[in-house]
Amino acid sequence: AQSVTQPDIHITVSEGASLELRCNYSYGATPYLFWYVQSPGQGLQLLLKYFSGDTLVQGIKGFEAEFKRSQSSFNLRKPSVHWSDAAEYFCAGYNQGGKLIFGQGTELSVKP
Amino acid sequence: DAGVTQSPTHLIKTRGQHVTLRCSPISGHKSVSWYQQVLGQGPQFIFQYYEKEERGRGNFPDRFSARQFPNYSSELNVNALLLGDSALYLCASSSDSFWGQYFGPGTRLTVT
Repeated sequence: AQSVTQPDIHITVSEGASLELRCNYSYGATPYLFWYVQSPGQGLQLLLKYFSGDTLVQGIKGFEAEFKRSQSSFNLRKPSVHWSDAAEYFCAGYNQGGKLIFGQGTELSVKP
Repeated sequence: DAGVTQSPTHLIKTRGQHVTLRCSPISGHKSVSWYQQVLGQGPQFIFQYYEKEERGRGNFPDRFSARQFPNYSSELNVNALLLGDSALYLCASSSDSFWGQYFGPGTRLTVT
C-alpha cells in the first residue's frame, strides 16, 4: 500500500536552533511530495513541493526539504527556528490513484 | 489574487440533518478537492473534481456527495449527519490534478 508516515508526533526545539522533521513514504514510482503547515484552527499552507529534478527543494519561510530515494524520505529542514514557526506540519504525497495522502502530522513547539 | 474561500466558517447541526458546504477555488484553477480533518489527525481525502467531473473518491459513505459548477466552485453535501461527522472540512484547488493544492481556511462542522 502507498503511505506517508511522520514518525514524530511532537517535537520541541529552542528558538534559533535547527529543525528537521521526518517524513517517510512508500511508493513505486517517483512520488509527488509536499510539506504543509497548519496553524491552530486554520487551513493548510503549502511550504514546498517535489516532483522531479533537483532533490533539494527550497520553500517559503526559509524551509527546505531533501528527497532521498534510497531512504524513502522527504525530511523538512530549517537552519534557525523562529517562535512563529510553532504549528502542525504535514507531509503529503499523491498515491497511484491520484489521491493526496497525508501523514499524521508533527506538532512543533518552540521554546524561548 | 484571492485564495480559496469557503463558507460558512462555522456550522452547528443536529444528528440526522443535512449540510451543504461551499468552496470557491483560486481564479484559473479547475480542480477542487475536499478533505475531512478530525482533531489531531491529518486531512482525509473525500472527493476530487476536475473540469466538473469527479476524478476521485475517498473511503467515505454515500451520505457524502459533491459537485462542481461551470465556474469551478464546488459544494460538499452530507446527509443524515452523525456525531462522527464533526470535523474541519477543507477545500483545496489546483491548476490540474497533480499540481500542488492550495487550501482554504476550512469549515468547522459540529454535530450535536
